[in-house]
Amino acid sequence: AQTVTQSQPEMSVQEAETVTLSCTYDTSESDYYLFWYKQPPSRQMILVIRQEAYKQQNATENRFSVNFQKAAKSFSLKISDSQLGDAAMYFCAYRGSTSGTYKYIFGTGTRLKVLA
Amino acid sequence: GAVVSQHPSRVICKSGTSVKIECRSLDFQATTMFWYRQFPKQSLMLMATSNEGSKATYEQGVEKDKFLINHASLTLSTLTVTSAHPEDSSFYICSASPGVQETQYFGPGTRLLVL
Repeated sequence: AQTVTQSQPEMSVQEAETVTLSCTYDTSESDYYLFWYKQPPSRQMILVIRQEAYKQQNATENRFSVNFQKAAKSFSLKISDSQLGDAAMYFCAYRGSTSGTYKYIFGTGTRLKVLA
Repeated sequence: GAVVSQHPSRVICKSGTSVKIECRSLDFQATTMFWYRQFPKQSLMLMATSNEGSKATYEQGVEKDKFLINHASLTLSTLTVTSAHPEDSSFYICSASPGVQETQYFGPGTRLLVL
């Protein structure tokens, strides 16, 4: 069975600085998708970034980028130029691509605090 | 694009009553919808997966007779908590996907409080 691990329950970053949130996963599949979702205090889940496992290039979305290491089964999120609005819970999620594995498997989340 | 709404956003009910929560995809057709439950300061727990026009698939440990899911159209799924009890109080979140292999887009959630 697939698992997703976020080993950092809480992280802090100074405004305008860079922070990296870690995520590791375990799977026997070769093709799958990985996501980072943000959940601010409103509790609305917002897609931050998505990575297809078959793509070697790391996904980027403005100030957000990932370091995808397929062999190590690692999928970290880097937030550059952190802003106060980045403060939220961040969840890493895995989704397989074979029948029966389309559902998401979420990590336990990392709470990010941004210090002014 | 990819907006999902949920209604109501908050509901308070008496123990023993039933509560219906609606999940709508506003700008795309959702062949698959998912229902999650989230306890305070915890991750999302998948309750069930529903495909339009067919019965929902429930996760292990989720009572299908208590949490009734209907996905009658490509834009609407409903979750009915039957005979609600205080232990059912939680935050319920739905997500919708254009296809089973696509990204999930989440609704804003519904906070249920059972007195």
